[in-house]
Amino acid sequence: EDKVVQSPLSLVVHEGDTVTLNCSYEVTNFRSLLWYKQEKKAPTFLFMLTSSGIEKKSGRLSSILDKKELFSILNITATQTGDSAIYLCAVYGGATNKLIFGTGTLLAVQP
Amino acid sequence: DVKVTQSSRYLVKRTGEKVFLECVQDMDHENMFWYRQDPGLGLRLIYFSYDVKMKEKGDIPEGYSVSREKKERFSLILESASTNQTSMYLCATKGVNYGYTFGSGTRLTVV
Repeated sequence: EDKVVQSPLSLVVHEGDTVTLNCSYEVTNFRSLLWYKQEKKAPTFLFMLTSSGIEKKSGRLSSILDKKELFSILNITATQTGDSAIYLCAVYGGATNKLIFGTGTLLAVQP
Repeated sequence: DVKVTQSSRYLVKRTGEKVFLECVQDMDHENMFWYRQDPGLGLRLIYFSYDVKMKEKGDIPEGYSVSREKKERFSLILESASTNQTSMYLCATKGVNYGYTFGSGTRLTVV
């Protein structure tokens, strides 16, 4: 069975801390791995990763994929209260070629 | 930008009522999806559609049905709402790349 597992389930940090969110997967027919940020409404796209070892970066956020060990990490440096959200990892693939989501990591950044 | 519009942000319905959740997209995408999101369970696929009048069951279709009479509109139907269908419902579309675009979600409470 295809699955995507995120850890930790939740995390509380203080402003300025650096956090690392984890995503491991077992998905047949892997095509890509995506990260989304979800605040109070729709998930918004952060990154799409298809190749191992190539870091994608956007401001204080960065992500990398390891296709040999079947995981990805999302790093956030110098966290701010506006980073508080659920971070979703999803893998595109599986028997029917669609997104398979993890449970998400709830990040709370305290002032 | 693709816009995915869900007709209601919040809904409160009584047990046994028939409930319609509407989703409209404006970018001529063929693929549309309905997910429900629950704490600790992540996003779970209810139904999806690859074309007009075409529908396929996702991972948790029981208690739901869908309708896609026009390409831009994908409706989720709860034939007889139950309290265990209280959840956040997210509609999504997929274009030619792997990324999905989500609507803002409908938080449904069944009392």
